[in-house]
Amino acid sequence: AQSVAQPEDQVNVAEGNPLTVKCTYSVSGNPYLFWYVQYPNRGLQFLLKYITGDNLVKGSYGFEAEFNKSQTSFHLKKPSALVSDSALYFCAVRADQTGANNLFFGTGTRLTVIP
Amino acid sequence: NAGVTQTPKFQVLKTGQSMTLQCAQDMNHEYMSWYRQDPGMGLRLIHYSVGAGITDQGEVPNGYNVSRSTTEDFPLRLLSAAPSQTSVYFCASSHGLGYTFGSGTRLTVV
Repeated sequence: AQSVAQPEDQVNVAEGNPLTVKCTYSVSGNPYLFWYVQYPNRGLQFLLKYITGDNLVKGSYGFEAEFNKSQTSFHLKKPSALVSDSALYFCAVRADQTGANNLFFGTGTRLTVIP
Repeated sequence: NAGVTQTPKFQVLKTGQSMTLQCAQDMNHEYMSWYRQDPGMGLRLIHYSVGAGITDQGEVPNGYNVSRSTTEDFPLRLLSAAPSQTSVYFCASSHGLGYTFGSGTRLTVV
């Protein structure tokens, strides 16, 4: 079985400060990991994904995420937060097994960047 | 523009009514899926399909039916709507590790 945990429903950070949105996962075999962002009344927008290789993945809008296999984590980070980063963020996992196409999502973390 | 198209964008149903949420993609993706998004619950998988003629249940399939007669279309049917089905519904398609999501259908059942 696959699952994702996002332990924080809400993260508040001051503009210009670094931000971290936490994600831990459980999967049989090796994971494929994703981060998506959702702005109000909009669909899901892809930020980045980890497949294999370098544990630090760089994505859109200055976001990056670090894969940590021993801690089964894939935290999303940005060095300097912008007010426009305020949105709902979802972590998702998929197993690397043949035929396992389904993405499993966390419950989401609402990020608020305070001016 | 290539992508996933969902219709309608908004819908209000009365309890017991039926309706079909449409999803179409023009990228020739074999895999398609339906999710529902509820506050505090994230996105939960309803049904999915790995190709025309093949469908399977996800995490929360009860109250929903799907079919996949063509590669392009993957409609989601509510046979008898219930207030618990009030949600935002997203359709997705994928090829390999690239997933494309539709813009969603906001459904309210009164």
